[in-house]
Amino acid sequence: DSGVTQTPKHLITATGQRVTLRCSPRSGDLSVYWYQQSLDQGLQFLIHYYNGEERAKGNILERFSAQQFPDLHSELNLSSLELGDSALYFCASSFLGQGNTEAFFGQGTRLTVV
Amino acid sequence: AQKITQTQPGMFVQEKEAVTLDCTYDTSDQSYGLFWYKQPSSGEMIFLIYQGSYDEQNATEGRYSLNFQKARKSANLVISASQLGDSAMYFCAMRETGGFKTIFGAGTRLFVKA
Repeated sequence: DSGVTQTPKHLITATGQRVTLRCSPRSGDLSVYWYQQSLDQGLQFLIHYYNGEERAKGNILERFSAQQFPDLHSELNLSSLELGDSALYFCASSFLGQGNTEAFFGQGTRLTVV
Repeated sequence: AQKITQTQPGMFVQEKEAVTLDCTYDTSDQSYGLFWYKQPSSGEMIFLIYQGSYDEQNATEGRYSLNFQKARKSANLVISASQLGDSAMYFCAMRETGGFKTIFGAGTRLFVKA
């Protein structure tokens, strides 16, 4: 168990809908990262938050947004869902955000858009 | 731009033998971290090992070691005494120390034969 908790584990929803994925980082970790893993795109970095502030953006669509709350948990909001958004969404956390600290991953949320 | 290349889509190894998974990277930064993760069929991402760009010695963690050749920009993972439970996807990743974006390679699927 990495200590990173993601809910829900599975989510099935229809096209056009909006969903929220939740992540609780390991105790004491200030950084949260979101990734999307799909068969065709591999593991793609979406966004990084450090202590409530957005620090880096990757290949995140405008339909997607995220935030990190004062208690350090994070939510990833996906709206106007399309079939191609079906993927495994990971959250990871680390104490700091620099390159010399490893990040620990949650179990992921498997999103299926039908 | 940062890039991670894993040229072996699949690898076979006999149980109890050692195996090397290749990873080359490209970055213009001098300070960065390199990571390896394991993803079993259950889907979770498990952190294995970390190497800092300024570390003079190769990182080791139990049966895992990282063969770091900075001039060649390679960070190969060596798994000694392979076990059946090592069968999984393995991802190489990099994060620049001053930045917060982590990029992943396409992964190598390792099959351990009994």
